[in-house]
Amino acid sequence: GESVGLHLPTLSVQEGDNSIINCAYSNSASDYFIWYKQESGKGPQFIIDIRSNMDKRQGQRVTVLLNKTVKHLSLQIAATQPGDSAVYFCAENRDTPLVFGKGTRLSVIA
Amino acid sequence: DTAVSQTPKYLVTQMGNDKSIKCEQNLGHDTMYWYKQDSKKFLKIMFSYNNKELIINETVPNRFSPKSPDKAHLNLHINSLELGDSAVYFCASSQGGRNQPQHFGDGTRLSIL
Repeated sequence: GESVGLHLPTLSVQEGDNSIINCAYSNSASDYFIWYKQESGKGPQFIIDIRSNMDKRQGQRVTVLLNKTVKHLSLQIAATQPGDSAVYFCAENRDTPLVFGKGTRLSVIA
Repeated sequence: DTAVSQTPKYLVTQMGNDKSIKCEQNLGHDTMYWYKQDSKKFLKIMFSYNNKELIINETVPNRFSPKSPDKAHLNLHINSLELGDSAVYFCASSQGGRNQPQHFGDGTRLSIL
């Protein structure tokens, strides 16, 4: 079936290193993708989005890469900080509503 | 100012009871949603309303009934609560149209005893 998923359920990185969180999607018709960050006890927080007519988009310390050929999405976090520790979700838009992946837990080691 | 606010944050109740969760957004968005997040953190859409009209109703038991008195509010009423209803419920909102990010509340943790 069609799904949005993540390659790694958990990721541990040293403070100051770069983090890369990956996501695979299976619906080639999806044309909008979002990354969310969810901290403990809080709702998902919008980080960055990208439309299918782009392959890269940068924000503050974050970059999203979209590879439509292999249907892969990644979130890169530069100079990872303890405050980046959270669960990260990718989501794809197939019309509405958003379809969320399973989430990756990022742990930052001080 | 809180953009999407839900009340209560925690709800502990017994099986068979009826309960409601309220949601309000002050972002001026046209579309509001309810999601359920299970113990494995999986987020699944339940309902979506656009300008007070139901536009998405996923496979949800009819014990769950959303109500939208105006486009800034979307409440969720649950009848005859069951153990399997235990989860975190999130309200979200977005601008109308496709390809718009959704903004989430901080969730309501529902625990059924």
